[in-house]
Amino acid sequence: AQSVTQPDIHITVSEGASLELRCNYSYGATPYLFWYVQSPGQGLQLLLKYFSGDTLVQGIKGFEAEFKRSQSSFNLRKPSVHWSDAAEYFCAVGAVRQNTGFQKLVFGTGTRLLVSP
Amino acid sequence: DAGVIQSPRHEVTEMGQEVTLRCKPISGHDYLFWYRQTMMRGLELLIYFNNNVPIDDSGMPEDRFSAKMPNASFSTLKIQPSEPRDSAVYFCASRLKTGAEAFFGQGTRLTVV
Repeated sequence: AQSVTQPDIHITVSEGASLELRCNYSYGATPYLFWYVQSPGQGLQLLLKYFSGDTLVQGIKGFEAEFKRSQSSFNLRKPSVHWSDAAEYFCAVGAVRQNTGFQKLVFGTGTRLLVSP
Repeated sequence: DAGVIQSPRHEVTEMGQEVTLRCKPISGHDYLFWYRQTMMRGLELLIYFNNNVPIDDSGMPEDRFSAKMPNASFSTLKIQPSEPRDSAVYFCASRLKTGAEAFFGQGTRLTVV
């Protein structure tokens, strides 16, 4: 069964500094990978996704992520963090079933990003 | 489209009462998912439907939980009887069959006292 590990529960970054959130997955086949963001009291919003092709994917709000098969990782990055980026970030892997596309998402436990002035 | 719509946004109920959470998926989406979010366990998939048919309910915690999808535009998650440990935020999400991005509702915050 697939699983996702986000090793950092909390991360604090100064505004304007760069950010990298770690995500490792376990899945037997080629994974569909996602990063979602959740602001307080809100639902989850998709930041970016990887299905195939270029291993560096661009998302909304200036985020990007790189798929590294050899490391089973899909880390999220942003070159310069803004105070509005403070939120909880979830990495997820989609279980792929042949001929139907993926059917369900399994989420990591999330990383809470705090942005200091 | 208004997105995935959940109701109510907040629910406070007494232990032992029946609770029904509602979800309207995005029109045309073939898959619907129910998730529960708690501090201790994070986001857990409870059940998902494909074309109104339950596909995988292995995440439903116990028989007190049940979910239905009587048509393509409506689903319910029912807890009967409710217990304090059911307190959580419950999310509904939907997606297209051919796509892979799931769109989430804003959630229902359930408090059982």
